[in-house]
Amino acid sequence: KNQVEQSPQSLIILEGKNCTLQCNYTVSPFSNLRWYKQDTGRGPVSLTIMTFSENTKSNGRYTATLDADTKQSSLHITASQLSDSASYICVPGGSYIPTFGRGTSLIVHP
Amino acid sequence: DTGVSQDPRHKITKRGQNVTFRCDPISEHNRLYWYRQTLGQGPEFLTYFQNEAQLEKSRLLSDRFSAERPKGSFSTLEIQRTEQGDSAMYLCASSLGDSHLGNTIYFGEGSWLTVV
Repeated sequence: KNQVEQSPQSLIILEGKNCTLQCNYTVSPFSNLRWYKQDTGRGPVSLTIMTFSENTKSNGRYTATLDADTKQSSLHITASQLSDSASYICVPGGSYIPTFGRGTSLIVHP
Repeated sequence: DTGVSQDPRHKITKRGQNVTFRCDPISEHNRLYWYRQTLGQGPEFLTYFQNEAQLEKSRLLSDRFSAERPKGSFSTLEIQRTEQGDSAMYLCASSLGDSHLGNTIYFGEGSWLTVV
């Protein structure tokens, strides 16, 4: 059964600080991994996508890493801003239907 | 490119009533997905279309749920005899090409359903 575990479940940080979100997955077949940002009450928005052969991908202050051997991914946010407050969802894919994690809820305080 | 549009954004209905949600995907996107999301959870897959063909349905999609994409463009999701457990946000998404090949899936803003 495909599974996605994200940690921490929630995180509170001060504005300007860095943070790292983790994702462990068991998905087969596997070909790519996405990270989505979802603001409260809005649809998810794609941040990064990595194929199984890529180790890292950046999008501004967001940097995702992927270790396909250990089936782990992380999302690092640098110099956090208030607008980073959202849920971050890890989505490993390989079949026609990707599997969504429950997300990590990030709150950035001023 | 106007993005994925969903209508209505919010719907409050009495238990037992039928509701229908509409999704207009990004133009020329041949894949269309419906997901359901409740508070604190990630989106759960409901069903998936390639053009007008409904290729896969989740076991979450009971016989009270039906989805169509008649001309391979917009799609509708109908829930008959709504129950309080149907209260959720219903997300539509689309992509050009297969997601497992790395094509980005674009989501709409969702349709919130509250069954009272």
